[in-house]
Parts: sequence; C-alpha cells; structure tokens
Amino acid sequence: EDQVTQSPEALRLQEGESSSLNCSYTVSGLRGLFWYRQDPGKGPEFLFTLYSAGEEKEKERLKATLTKKESFLHITAPKPEDSATYLCAVQAASGGSYIPTFGRGTSLIVHP
Amino acid sequence: NAGVTQTPKFQVLKTGQSMTLQCAQDMNHNSMYWYRQDPGMGLRLIYYSASEGTTDKGEVPNGYNVSRLNKREFSLRLESAAPSQTSVYFCASSEDRMGGYTFGSGTRLTVV
Repeated sequence: EDQVTQSPEALRLQEGESSSLNCSYTVSGLRGLFWYRQDPGKGPEFLFTLYSAGEEKEKERLKATLTKKESFLHITAPKPEDSATYLCAVQAASGGSYIPTFGRGTSLIVHP
Repeated sequence: NAGVTQTPKFQVLKTGQSMTLQCAQDMNHNSMYWYRQDPGMGLRLIYYSASEGTTDKGEVPNGYNVSRLNKREFSLRLESAAPSQTSVYFCASSEDRMGGYTFGSGTRLTVV
C-alpha cells in the first residue's frame, strides 16, 4: 500500500528564517510526486511535479527536491504570505488508475 | 478563467435529506474527481471520472453517487445524508489522469 508521511505537522517560522518541509513516501514505483499549497477556506493549489530522483523545481521562494525515498520543499527567506498548509501527493507507476495518495500536510505559519 | 467552480459553498442538511453538489470546469480537462477533507484525515477520494462517460469508486464511496453529465460537469449526490458526511468537499480536474490537479474552492457541508 502506498504511504505518504509529511513532517513536521506544523511549523512556525520568523520572517526570513529559511527551513524545509519533508515528504517521505513508500510506493511501488514512483511516477510523479506533487506539491500543493492550501490556504484556509480554499482548495489546494498546484505548485510542482517531480518525476525522478535528483530533479528540482523552483518558484519564487520555494524549491522542491526529490530523492528515491523523500521530497523536500525548501522555503528561503519566507514571508508571512507564505503561511499555508503544504500538501504532498505521490502517484504510483503501477496499478493503472494513477490516483495519487495525499499526505496530511504541513501547516506553516510565518510570523512578521 | 474560472477554473473549477463548485456550488453551493455552504450547506446544512438534516439527517436523511438528499442533495447534489455541483462541479464544472472550463479548462477542457478530461478527468474529474471528488474528494472530502476532514481534520486529521487529509484528502480522501470519493469518486473519479477518468474521462467523459466513465466513473470509478475511490477510497470512500459509500453513501455517495456521481454523474459525469458531460465533459465539463461532474456532480456528487448524497441520497440520505448522515452526520458522518459532515466535511469539506472538493472537486478537482486534470488534463489527464497523470497530471497535477486544479481544485475548486470547496463546499462546506454540515449534517445535523
């Protein structure tokens, strides 16, 4: 069974204090790993897709990286507007349905 | 562009009542999904439609039915609402089964 574990569950940072969120996964052949951002009261917003170990994607202050067992979402010099819940999802290469398994998310609060 | 539109945004039902949640996307996406999100449980797939004319069960289909009305619209019906169905419901779509999802803004449903 595919499993996705995100850590920490919650993270509080001061503005400008860089950190990383972790997404560890167990899947029978990874087809893709997705990162989403979810603001309170809204639906998740797609950020990145990573397909193979060593791949990196960047968007503003966010950089996602991928290894064979985990992905990191690095946040450089965060601002209060980066406060949100960040969700990770993994998609297995086998099975045929391609339905991703979502983690429970990391709630990030950035204080000014 | 509106993306994925869900109606209603809020709903309160009495136990045993029925209702239909509506979802429409304007991105010409082939695949559509219904999720529920509960505190501590993350996103759980209820039903999905890989393409127009097909529907399949997800992780938690009991108590729900779906209809893929056309390529744009995918509705979720609760025939006899139960308090356990109190949740936030998200509709999502993707160009195909393998890509990242575009989510709607959600329907917050309370069953009393």
